[in-house]
Amino acid sequence: EPEVTQTPSHQVTQMGQEVILRCVPISNHLYFYWYRQILGQKVEFLVSFYNNEISEKSEIFDDQFSVERPDGSNFTLKIRSTKLEDSAMYFCASTPIGQDNSPLHFGNGTRLTVT
Amino acid sequence: QKEVEQNSGPLSVPEGAIASLNCTYSDRVSQSFFWYRQYSGKSPELIMSIYSNGDKEDGRFTAQLNKASQYVSLLIRDSQPSDSATYLCAVRPKAAGNKLTFGGGTRVLVKP
Repeated sequence: EPEVTQTPSHQVTQMGQEVILRCVPISNHLYFYWYRQILGQKVEFLVSFYNNEISEKSEIFDDQFSVERPDGSNFTLKIRSTKLEDSAMYFCASTPIGQDNSPLHFGNGTRLTVT
Repeated sequence: QKEVEQNSGPLSVPEGAIASLNCTYSDRVSQSFFWYRQYSGKSPELIMSIYSNGDKEDGRFTAQLNKASQYVSLLIRDSQPSDSATYLCAVRPKAAGNKLTFGGGTRVLVKP
C-alpha cells in the first residue's frame, strides 16, 4: 500500500539554526499538510498546500516557517531559525483530490529536538 | 470553547470488554469525522471515518455520529491489550482539502 514517507526520522539542531523536514506524499495525492505534536499535547495543524500554493495556515505557521514543493515528489517544511519550543514531532500528511470525505494519510513523522 | 473535545482518560477496560470513547465538536457545519489511533511515539493511524448520522461498523469498531448533538463516538468491542493507545477524534468542516482538527485524544488501557 502506498505511504507517505518522511525524512529524517529524528533531527537534532541548535537553537537559531535552520532545519528542513522532508516528505514524499502518496503519488496520486494533491493536497499536502504539515502538522506538529509537542510531547504530550494534541496534533496541531500548521499548513495545507495545494496546486503549488498554501491554501490554509494556522497561527503557529509564522514567518519562521515556509513550505515548498521543489519537484514533483518532495514536499518540505523549513524552519528558518529554530527555537526551543519548536521541539516536537512533525507529521506530513496527504489526501487525494476529488474525494470529499477522504482521510489524511500520515507519514511516520520527524522528531525535531532543538537544544 | 475547544473545537474538538475528548476526555483525556486514561480509560481502563478489562480485556474482552467494550471501550466507549466520546468526542464533541463545536463547528456545526462539520461534515466528515475520523477516528485515528496513535501509539506512543508513532503517527496517527486511521481507524474509521463517518459522514452520516447513525452507526458505522468495521470489524470490532463502531463509530456513531449525531450531528444534531455535535457528538461522535467510537466503540471498541472485545478489547485487546494491543488496543491500548491514544484515540484521536478528528473533524473536517468542509470539502476535501480542508484541514482536520484533532481533539486531544483519549488514552485507552486494556488490562489482561
